[in-house]
Amino acid sequence: AQTVTQSQPEMSVQEAETVTLSCTYDTSESNYYLFWYKQPPSRQMILVIRQEAYKQQNATENRFSVNFQKAAKSFSLKISDSQLGDTAMYFCAFMRRNAGNMLTFGGGTRLMVKP
Amino acid sequence: NAGVTQTPKFRILKIGQSMTLQCTQDMNHNYMYWYRQDPGMGLKLIYYSVGAGITDKGEVPNGYNVSRSTTEDFPLRLELAAPSQTSVYFCASSNGLVLDYEQYFGPGTRLTVT
Repeated sequence: AQTVTQSQPEMSVQEAETVTLSCTYDTSESNYYLFWYKQPPSRQMILVIRQEAYKQQNATENRFSVNFQKAAKSFSLKISDSQLGDTAMYFCAFMRRNAGNMLTFGGGTRLMVKP
Repeated sequence: NAGVTQTPKFRILKIGQSMTLQCTQDMNHNYMYWYRQDPGMGLKLIYYSVGAGITDKGEVPNGYNVSRSTTEDFPLRLELAAPSQTSVYFCASSNGLVLDYEQYFGPGTRLTVT
């Protein structure tokens, strides 16, 4: 079974600054995907960024980028130029490529962006 | 395209009552999922389905049942509700293809059992 650990329950950052959220995972699989989801107070789950394990290049999406360290089983999310709208819960998730493509989530990090 | 819709949005149940949470998707996705999210926690998989007529248990299936008679619908049944089932329930769907595996989530149902 896979496990996903987010060691930072809460973080805060000043508007316009950069923040990094940590995620580690444990798996014996070689073919998998990793995700970061954002959950604002509305409760809606929003996909922020994804990374295929077979790709060495780190994924980027505008102000969001990841640092994927496969050997260390680490997958951190960097948010640049933080905005007030980035305030939310952030979940790291693991997907093993199989018949079900199920997601295993970490416990989440609550991010507060301060003006 | 409405995406994934869930009803109801909120519900309060008494201990021992039963109910069905409805989930419908209009994206013709084969794969569908039910997750629960306890306060301050991440989502945990209850059941999933890879196509009509096919369902399987996830990490926390006890106390729940599902069925998948059509591609569009994936209802979740709670029998004999217990306080431990107080949670937010999310339905999700995906194509399940090699290059199209993203899961799309519904808005969630907040359930309180008292």
